[in-house]
Amino acid sequence: SYALTQPPSLSVAPGKTARISCGGDNVRTKTVHWYKQRPGQTPVLVMYYGTDRPSGIPERFSGSNSGNTATLTISGVEAGDEADYYCQVWDDITDHVVFGGGTKLTVL
Amino acid sequence: QVQLVQSGTEVVKPGASVKVSCRTSGFTFIHYAVHWLRQAPGQRLDWMGWINSGNGDTKYSQDFQGRVTLSRDTSATTAFMEVSGLTSEDTAVYYCARVTDGYIDSWGQGTLVVVSS
Repeated sequence: SYALTQPPSLSVAPGKTARISCGGDNVRTKTVHWYKQRPGQTPVLVMYYGTDRPSGIPERFSGSNSGNTATLTISGVEAGDEADYYCQVWDDITDHVVFGGGTKLTVL
Repeated sequence: QVQLVQSGTEVVKPGASVKVSCRTSGFTFIHYAVHWLRQAPGQRLDWMGWINSGNGDTKYSQDFQGRVTLSRDTSATTAFMEVSGLTSEDTAVYYCARVTDGYIDSWGQGTLVVVSS
């Protein structure tokens, strides 16, 4: 079955750029979605169709997808960005939802 | 607006079963699939499966196949998830969610299931 791989953790200083990777076999052929989850809270969609931001998500959030890696980029990182981030695709062979293992973003 | 409201916390004994409900409103229930996920304490999101609310067809993750049953009541616009043979490793928050074009656009608030003797 299809699998997505994320780094377990990433630390970034305030004001810097965070790049959260999501690896998968030829992931560029898939549509990747991203969610943010703070402790004790329900996940929130922050990027869909790879590059589209839901209303309320700041322009600091952007997405890209090339080769075997999709990336969520957060520019000008703020304390409120500290959370777990998950990438997700739809596996159209199995009709299953697939999540990455999540990346814990720490703002130093 | 779109809402998914789940049933409350459950405390169950090992070996028992639990059934969680997800009452929906604000959209045409039979036009969407309802997915179920779980998250053990401090762990990742795990996708469990989904039900086509219109025709009742289901798909299950291999990790939960045979132990999880998804169902729905179209008249009540409510989806259900039942897990059997519970162990302490099934202690988790269980979420229902609506999927649109391959991504989750609405979540239930989560139901904590605690498996303890």
